[in-house]
Amino acid sequence: DTGVSQDPRHKITKRGQNVTFRCDPISEHNRLYWYRQTLGQGPEFLTYFQNEAQLEKSRLLSDRFSAERPKGSFSTLEIQRTEQGDSAMYLCASSLGGGPGANVLTFGAGSRLTVL
Amino acid sequence: DQQVKQNSPSLSVQEGRISILNCDYTNSMFDYFLWYKKYPAEGPTFLISISSIKDKNEDGRFTVFLNKSAKHLSLHIVPSQPGDSAVYFCALGGTGFQKLVFGTGTRLLVSP
Repeated sequence: DTGVSQDPRHKITKRGQNVTFRCDPISEHNRLYWYRQTLGQGPEFLTYFQNEAQLEKSRLLSDRFSAERPKGSFSTLEIQRTEQGDSAMYLCASSLGGGPGANVLTFGAGSRLTVL
Repeated sequence: DQQVKQNSPSLSVQEGRISILNCDYTNSMFDYFLWYKKYPAEGPTFLISISSIKDKNEDGRFTVFLNKSAKHLSLHIVPSQPGDSAVYFCALGGTGFQKLVFGTGTRLLVSP
């Protein structure tokens, strides 16, 4: 297993365009998280899946954001009508729920979004 | 509502000396505490953790201390090495929390 993979690593887009990020978690992990990190801040929680069910969404996740995890495997995060304030690093993480390991998230390298 | 604070945005230490990174929190319901390390252009990497039933956990050069009454967490690195230069985040979670809440990070620079 190569860990958590995210694609693309970098995305530059114009304001108003839609973007989609993909995350492939560690295969045996049933929990998948999306976080966002801006300069000088720590990662901020966006949303969380257990298997295919989206169990929690942050207030940070406006209606322009949607996340899916079909079949409980990979996940996508789509941002519609991007705004300059969406520029950030989008981090995906996974963990194995059900025990102490549930708290230890393994992160991918992130997808950096720049909205011009 | 900032539940987790790392009040030192940066720390400079000489190689071989001790690095002490601090983290304060407000919510006493947290019962699992972690430190992550982040290099540029990479995602955060898990470093060490501690549960609320302990006050110290050690792993090689890294030791995490938990003071529940003061709601304070610290990470000691000794001896510090130049390769330890990175941004360190504390992260809190545990029973009843589906996610980790991260601090703002402390940038550690270890000079030779």
